Amino acid sequence: DVKVTQSSRYLVKRTGEKVFLECVQDMDHENMFWYRQDPGLGLRLIYFSYDVKMKEKGDIPEGYSVSREKKERFSLILESASTNQTSMYLCASRKGSTDTQYFGPGTRLTVL
Amino acid sequence: SQQGEEDPQALSIQEGENATMNCSYKTSINNLQWYRQNSGRGLVHLILIRSNEREKHSGRLRVTLDTSKKSSSLLITASRAADTASYFCATDPRSYNTDKLIFGTGTRLQVFP
Repeated sequence: DVKVTQSSRYLVKRTGEKVFLECVQDMDHENMFWYRQDPGLGLRLIYFSYDVKMKEKGDIPEGYSVSREKKERFSLILESASTNQTSMYLCASRKGSTDTQYFGPGTRLTVL
Repeated sequence: SQQGEEDPQALSIQEGENATMNCSYKTSINNLQWYRQNSGRGLVHLILIRSNEREKHSGRLRVTLDTSKKSSSLLITASRAADTASYFCATDPRSYNTDKLIFGTGTRLQVFP
């Protein structure tokens, strides 16, 4: 079974802090994604990556950056956390365009 | 608006009843996927249906796809309290040259014992 893991289930940070969210998948998938999920807004794509060191902006990249140094790991970085970045963050991976997308358990981030 | 939009937004039924959720989308697709999300958790993949398929089954789940109407439905038969969750459809648009899925805002299903 594909496994996508995220470094934390719950995280509390202060405004202005730098925040790292880590995601690891164990199935050699090329594509990895970061979403945030907010009530009434559904899942919104922040960034995705289709290969090592490659990244593409999603629909809401402002205030975020990403890093993909190894195929299995995709990191989401909040350079200076703000309260409007309080959200559920979901990582996902996928082999190709016609394949199933697998999600991690999510990280609920609260920025105070 | 979202590429995939689920209908209804919320659904409450008794155990044993069937639950039907619908998804509409706007552009041509390669495939459509349905996911379940329990409260506060990640999304779990249920079924993928390709654009050349019309119906697919998995246990108590039945998914149909009508590409002429740009719509899909998810039927859960003989529902159980454990089916209580949010259900999302996600489309893989042909017009995109990347592997992005477009998610709807979901249907919240409540199954009462």
